[in-house]
Amino acid sequence: NAGVTQTPKFQVLKTGQSMTLQCAQDMNHEYMSWYRQDPGMGLRLIHYSVGAGITDQGEVPNGYNVSRSTTEDFPLRLLSAAPSQTSVYFCASSHTGPSNYGYTFGSGTRLTVV
Amino acid sequence: AQKITQTQPGMFVQEKEAVTLDCTYDTSDQSYGLFWYKQPSSGEMIFLIYQGSYDEQNATEGRYSLNFQKARKSANLVISASQLGDSAMYFCAMRELSGGSYIPTFGRGTSLIVHP
Repeated sequence: NAGVTQTPKFQVLKTGQSMTLQCAQDMNHEYMSWYRQDPGMGLRLIHYSVGAGITDQGEVPNGYNVSRSTTEDFPLRLLSAAPSQTSVYFCASSHTGPSNYGYTFGSGTRLTVV
Repeated sequence: AQKITQTQPGMFVQEKEAVTLDCTYDTSDQSYGLFWYKQPSSGEMIFLIYQGSYDEQNATEGRYSLNFQKARKSANLVISASQLGDSAMYFCAMRELSGGSYIPTFGRGTSLIVHP
């Protein structure tokens, strides 16, 4: 089925470990983004990309890196995990422009840093 | 200042009644889009409805309608004839031009519980 695929669904890390959250979409969407969701805080934008080779920071980028080498993939890297990065992470994609296209979300990754 | 404000952390409604979830937004752009998403307890994000800033008619999608009051900068979601399956978190979002790209900002959400 077409959509946004996020892996893994669950992950436990120790403080200081690094890891990569994977996100792939097969809808040829130009825009891809990563959000974190914390209780009472809604979804906060970490990083986003409007095309291959183009990335930019969102509201809460510290501690995270991204790259966009292909249209389909947009991995999120945690460089040195901290307990404050315990959260649910969502990848979302859409076509760009002022259209009525909604954002397609992945199923989320629940990350716990101990 | 928050770009999207959802003032109701939690709402309760009786099954089959209508409910309005509030959303106000802050932008100086003329061209922007407003969205509502539903997040059930399973965690997935489900797109419900969209309203463009230049749309003169309020958007409707089945039992969902968006009460768009541009001068007041509000985009309230109205759910008619509530069902038990409507119990979920609801997020309002706005997409506006930022640095040459249309980037969405989400509110903090409203938790809706539908009672039988």
